[in-house]
Amino acid sequence: GQQLNQSPQSMFIQEGEDVSMNCTSSSIFNTWLWYKQEPGEGPVLLIALYKAGELTSNGRLTAQFGITRKDSFLNISASIPSDVGIYFCAGSISSGSARQLTFGSGTQLTVLP
Amino acid sequence: DGGITQSPKYLFRKEGQNVTLSCEQNLNHDAMYWYRQDPGQGLRLIYYSQIVNDFQKGDIAEGYSVSREKKESFPLTVTSAQKNPTAFYLCASSNPGLQPQHFGDGTRLSIL
Repeated sequence: GQQLNQSPQSMFIQEGEDVSMNCTSSSIFNTWLWYKQEPGEGPVLLIALYKAGELTSNGRLTAQFGITRKDSFLNISASIPSDVGIYFCAGSISSGSARQLTFGSGTQLTVLP
Repeated sequence: DGGITQSPKYLFRKEGQNVTLSCEQNLNHDAMYWYRQDPGQGLRLIYYSQIVNDFQKGDIAEGYSVSREKKESFPLTVTSAQKNPTAFYLCASSNPGLQPQHFGDGTRLSIL
């Protein structure tokens, strides 16, 4: 099946710094999603990308769908303590089928005061 | 408020016992999903259902069973055949044609 490589696995940053994480795939995807999960809770959708080259922002978050359709990145600007959590990428080769949704292993973000 | 409710929050299973995890949604979504999450790993799809009375196996369905008798409910049974059931289980739902965007807060299952 598809493989998603998400990096880095963990990050420790100072409050106010910018953060960048990315996912690469061995296969082409036509949808990329970014989720955030806090301890003991379910993932919350942050950004959805449906078109190669698409750049989408959600507040301090910006994500891009790579031109090759095999990668995506997520940037967080001016990090704050509540940004702490695990960030997951997920990709799909079909816009309508959950059967094809593949998740990365997550990036654990810690924001130091 | 609309959302997905999973219960219980924590569940303990004895050897050889079947246990059922509840998932209820009031979002009027047609599709529902069960994922398993292990430490340091992404979510893996167990089962999904796109309509009442129909469901499909995901990537790791062995040792699990589901039913979809009502649109709002999609319970997951972890059977005694699942030899490594300790994990965090997440239920999700979505409208047709969209990716699962709404997750419950999960059930953590442990073995006694």
